[in-house]
Amino acid sequence: DAGITQSPRHKVTETGTPVTLRCHQTENHRYMYWYRQDPGHGLRLIHYSYGVKDTDKGEVSDGYSVSRSKTEDFLLTLESATSSQTSVYFCAISFGGSSNEQFFGPGTRLTVL
Amino acid sequence: KNQVEQSPQSLIILEGKNCTLQCNYTVSPFSNLRWYKQDTGRGPVSLTIMTFSENTKSNGRYTATLDADTKQSSLHITASQLSDSASYICVVGGGSSNTGKLIFGQGTTLQVKP
Repeated sequence: DAGITQSPRHKVTETGTPVTLRCHQTENHRYMYWYRQDPGHGLRLIHYSYGVKDTDKGEVSDGYSVSRSKTEDFLLTLESATSSQTSVYFCAISFGGSSNEQFFGPGTRLTVL
Repeated sequence: KNQVEQSPQSLIILEGKNCTLQCNYTVSPFSNLRWYKQDTGRGPVSLTIMTFSENTKSNGRYTATLDADTKQSSLHITASQLSDSASYICVVGGGSSNTGKLIFGQGTTLQVKP
């Protein structure tokens, strides 16, 4: 998986609780992304980062925040989890921007009860 | 509206047979088109990436074609193997910026039976 790890791999939580997912890379790639994958939808971009402390919103960013204090780590936080955020979350990295290949992590399956 | 549509939604073939998956897109401006393979429970893995000027690219038994005029792409799998059972996702990169604007299709689920 191109030196990308995600933690936790599985999580079950209750509505209203905060949740943080972590993506860690060992490739020193500049760009990092968070996607969610749901049945009936293609992968959808939540947030992305183009450098340390540089982040921007994707198409489904409501209810999510991110932080990147180091090149290797990109955190996704659900401030107050809702059932609609039950999904599989994938982190991806790329050396450059959209014209470059993206490498995906193994995913985190999140269930919000 | 930028969209990527794939067909068929699912496909079952016998081991050793060939198959072709289709992808139609309405993304503008167009930057590149990728095919990913996603095994159950894992992240997508890139098979091919094609830019506007490329109309075919191969990766082993996988051959992708691109017709930028009709905005269609296909992924041909030759001599299928059981390990080809997976979801195949067509992804179109839009624009020329570095903002990571990728539009994903919903995927075609391929099952290869012995």
